[in-house]
Amino acid sequence: DARVTQTPRHKVTEMGQEVTMRCQPILGHNTVFWYRQTMMQGLELLAYFRNRAPLDDSGMPKDRFSAEMPDATLATLKIQPSEPRDSAVYFCASGLGQGGNQPQHFGDGTRLSIL
Amino acid sequence: QKEVEQDPGPLSVPEGAIVSLNCTYSNSAFQYFMWYRQYSRKGPELLMYTYSSGNKEDGRFTAQVDKSSKYISLFIRDSQPSDSATYLCAMEVYGGSQGNLIFGKGTKLSVKP
Repeated sequence: DARVTQTPRHKVTEMGQEVTMRCQPILGHNTVFWYRQTMMQGLELLAYFRNRAPLDDSGMPKDRFSAEMPDATLATLKIQPSEPRDSAVYFCASGLGQGGNQPQHFGDGTRLSIL
Repeated sequence: QKEVEQDPGPLSVPEGAIVSLNCTYSNSAFQYFMWYRQYSRKGPELLMYTYSSGNKEDGRFTAQVDKSSKYISLFIRDSQPSDSATYLCAMEVYGGSQGNLIFGKGTKLSVKP
């Protein structure tokens, strides 16, 4: 079964440090999404890419968050500087982006704790 | 009012019970409706995917969409302890990962042996 792979699975760091999360989408998927999940807000879209180009990053705090796709097999989400309110589970999802019954597939997330 | 509303539960039922999970939404442009299941410390996994109104059945799971009422449901028959998870409804306008999914906050289900 093809899967979305996220690393690291867990990250604990101190406030002010840079955090980088990585995602390997399913081979052949051209659309990659970054979500954040908290108890209060649920799953929220941060940004998404199609064919490596950013389509929408309106859900992301631009002053500290950045998302990139250096190549088709790697997406990254960076937080610099990190703050305690960034503590959450960050999910990457990928999809075919061509309509019809082609849903998003999720990785198992990066559980981030900022002390 | 949020675009998608879902009762967070928790919902606790005995093994073998029929479970009904629901979401309401406000955006009449939504056409694709999904249910995801999320086990503890895992990512959401797709359970059911439906387009427009009607019913879809897959084993013990039935998804219903009523666009006139802006209401979707997931029924689980003969519930099992392995069904214990959080169930998230999700919906989108264009389908096929062409836009972003809007999620409900999830209903936590516990099926007791």
